[in-house]
Amino acid sequence: QQQVKQSPQSLIVQKGGISIINCAYENTAFDYFPWYQQFPGKGPALLIAIRPDVSEKKEGRFTISFNKSAKQFSLHIMDSQPGDSATYFCAAGVLYGGATNKLIFGTGTLLAVQP
Amino acid sequence: DAGVTQSPTHLIKTRGQQVTLRCSPKSGHDTVSWYQQALGQGPQFIFQYYEEEERQRGNFPDRFSGHQFPNYSSELNVNALLLGDSALYLCASSFYGTSGSSYNEQFFGPGTRLTVL
Repeated sequence: QQQVKQSPQSLIVQKGGISIINCAYENTAFDYFPWYQQFPGKGPALLIAIRPDVSEKKEGRFTISFNKSAKQFSLHIMDSQPGDSATYFCAAGVLYGGATNKLIFGTGTLLAVQP
Repeated sequence: DAGVTQSPTHLIKTRGQQVTLRCSPKSGHDTVSWYQQALGQGPQFIFQYYEEEERQRGNFPDRFSGHQFPNYSSELNVNALLLGDSALYLCASSFYGTSGSSYNEQFFGPGTRLTVL
């Protein structure tokens, strides 16, 4: 129940295309869903996050779509650029008294954007 | 404004040894979480510290211990190192505040790469 399942494992997209990464969870107690971007040798960097009271959140070229009934959420990267090539992780957590508790991470998606 | 900092960057140890990793949280943050990231995997939660106490712990043995200091910085200690402890150790900081528009996001440091030979 603590797992977050992420797909695909790897993704190749042409420059200017749309990258879509999907995640699913089981634990209905999760109420915080962030996406992180990680470059080789670096720590994960927070991209965008959503709470289950909204179905979509957009920040620049990055959009999270959230389906509470299906317990699924996805990251869409519009107009993908070679600089977006990285590993992307979805995660889920529970806000505890206002502070984010432990995060459960997906297994990651290696995105390659071809010029 | 410095983000989360970790030291050392890299570390090589042999089996059975002990190691201490250090983390300074982002300015204004008071909560520190530690994660282990094996090669090609997502980070796995080790434990979280707030007010100098361990608030929650993941599925890691007692060989993994930690500490938080009054200035909110933190240490991760691993005793009796095993080959399987080789990984990137990540520290993440966040702020324990009232919920609302802020998600109290966790911000990660660059990590410490531990190699156990």
